[in-house]
Amino acid sequence: EAEVAQSPRYKITEKSQAVAFWCDPISGHATLYWYRQILGQGPELLVQFQDESVVDDSQLPKDRFSAERLKGVDSTLKIQPAELGDSAMYLCASSLSTGSYEQYFGPGTRLTVT
Amino acid sequence: AQSVTQLDSQVPVFEEAPVELRCNYSSSVSVYLFWYVQYPNQGLQLLLKYLSGSTLVKGINGFEAEFNKSQTSFHLRKPSVHISDTAEYFCAVSGGDKLIFGTGTRLQVFP
Repeated sequence: EAEVAQSPRYKITEKSQAVAFWCDPISGHATLYWYRQILGQGPELLVQFQDESVVDDSQLPKDRFSAERLKGVDSTLKIQPAELGDSAMYLCASSLSTGSYEQYFGPGTRLTVT
Repeated sequence: AQSVTQLDSQVPVFEEAPVELRCNYSSSVSVYLFWYVQYPNQGLQLLLKYLSGSTLVKGINGFEAEFNKSQTSFHLRKPSVHISDTAEYFCAVSGGDKLIFGTGTRLQVFP
């Protein structure tokens, strides 16, 4: 069964350092999402791509976060510099297209900033 | 704007007992409703969804949910839980494409 891949699964970094997460969606899925899930809360959308274009990045802290999906397939989310408050689970999801409603989630990357 | 309220942060229950996890939503437009399950240090797995049609929706692992438009609710139920159902459960609403999640309910099943 096709799955969304994410790496690394766990990342520990010191504050002020740069960190990057990678996501490979299910083959053929045009829409890709990055969510942040703080411990004890539900996921919150950071950015949504349709192919290589950003559809929604209204909740992305653009002073330190960036996301790209250059060829419309895999995607990278970067934080520079990391802050203590960035400690969270970062989840990637994909769907066939915008409006297909069913999103498939990857295993996530657990980030700890010390 | 849509929002989701999960009324219980934790639900303890004994194995083989029935369980209901409550979810209420608010929206000014037609909604699509979802329940996801998350096991420790894993991503979210879709349990079931309501898009249209029958208000009683059956999902995986023996779970079901009922869409009640007048009460703006979408409660999740299972007639007999197992130890393996211990996990975090999230209700989510979508008015189009963006998913809005609740804060989650921790289901703890005891032997």
